[in-house]
Amino acid sequence: QSVLTQPPSVSGAPGQRVTISCTGSSSNIGAGYDVHWYQQLPGTAPKLLIYGNSNRPSGVPDRFSGSKSGTSASLAITGLQAEDEADYYCQSYDSSLSGSFYVFGTGTKVTVL
Amino acid sequence: QVQLQESGPGLVKPSETLSLTCTVSGGSISSYYWSWIRQPPGKGLEWIGYIYYSGSTNYNPSLKSRVTISVDTSKNQFSLKLSSVTAADTAVYYCARGVSVDYYYYYMDVWGKGTTVTVSS
Repeated sequence: QSVLTQPPSVSGAPGQRVTISCTGSSSNIGAGYDVHWYQQLPGTAPKLLIYGNSNRPSGVPDRFSGSKSGTSASLAITGLQAEDEADYYCQSYDSSLSGSFYVFGTGTKVTVL
Repeated sequence: QVQLQESGPGLVKPSETLSLTCTVSGGSISSYYWSWIRQPPGKGLEWIGYIYYSGSTNYNPSLKSRVTISVDTSKNQFSLKLSSVTAADTAVYYCARGVSVDYYYYYMDVWGKGTTVTVSS
């Protein structure tokens, strides 16, 4: 059971804007720890999409953007394209009584209608 | 550019030790962190642990008692050993390069393609 909760699925038509939330708590995102995002296309390895809440690695289209506020973070995809159909995961650091380590969100499947 | 390739047995018997190696090519293993992550069939990602090129390690508390990650800088490789495996350890195992600004800020920017490990008798 992940400590970072994401909606299981979101969908949108080509060209639309979709957002994916990543909800945490005071032991992770709310404690000020940064959030990173990964895209996993079907049958492939995850790929870094956003690091440090809102930074895009070289080669990632500017259609992808990230933000963080309070105990949550969000990934937005504007101008949705068919090639964006994938699973998306947030990742952060969690420090609790059960231990401290790097955690992934539950994952969100994006479907392009 | 840097590429990572996992290798190891695809089938492991229950109670035995899972052993995987990740070979780093196109760059040096020095000055980075190196992680193992796994993904059970149809499920999400789970961080297993990392090793710094100097040998210091950090493990997921839920797996710490069974995990050992080691590095061989002369071969540009790092390895994972997971002991006393059960069917719950069946997953795709990924190796990845980690970038860390401080202990709390850690992300993985280069991933291997993954290797499937099945635990079954």
